[in-house]
Amino acid sequence: EAGVAQSPRYKIIEKRQSVAFWCNPISGHATLYWYQQILGQGPKLLIQFQNNGVVDDSQLPKDRFSAERLKGVDSTLKIQPAKLEDSAVYLCASSPLEGQGLSGTQYFGPGTRLLVL
Amino acid sequence: GNSVTQMEGPVTLSEEAFLTINCTYTATGYPSLFWYVQYPGEGLQLLLKATKADDKGSNKGFEATYRKETTSFHLEKGSVQVSDSAVYFCALYGNKLVFGAGTILRVKS
Repeated sequence: EAGVAQSPRYKIIEKRQSVAFWCNPISGHATLYWYQQILGQGPKLLIQFQNNGVVDDSQLPKDRFSAERLKGVDSTLKIQPAKLEDSAVYLCASSPLEGQGLSGTQYFGPGTRLLVL
Repeated sequence: GNSVTQMEGPVTLSEEAFLTINCTYTATGYPSLFWYVQYPGEGLQLLLKATKADDKGSNKGFEATYRKETTSFHLEKGSVQVSDSAVYFCALYGNKLVFGAGTILRVKS
């Protein structure tokens, strides 16, 4: 079974530029998550989708971050404009439909490491 | 809100030593508890979990017991190997996953 795919793996941009990350979840997984992991900290949930609807985006800085999951499969996370403090690893994860006894069991991609200069 | 506190690292051990990584949590309700591991160059992966008080999760020689009375979920392994070198994250799930800061484990041969 193929895992969660993310691209690019690394990205370096100047502050105030824009950047986009792509995620392809495990086939058949209804729930998709984006996390931000700052160096020395644990991952923090940015947004959760169930199919193509947003379940939780309470910690997404909506003035600069946006995310979409068209057709309930792939997802894109965008930052515009980027700030220095956005330097982090952005993780995508997926899980089967919530409520099937697997809540909290998530499958993570390798992440995209972003450096904002 | 819910939170997880785990011991700071790095933890450096010799091969075959006993491992304990402490984890305590603060939560409303009855969360599920997890340990995730991140090996060098790889994504986070689930190591073990426990869904209710007194449950013991185990995998690959690692164990952790859900202690409601002490709000803890300490990770243990009787004999570590060099291949166990990784970052270990304790996490809880109420309505979303909340992670601790992670503990780096280095095992020397």
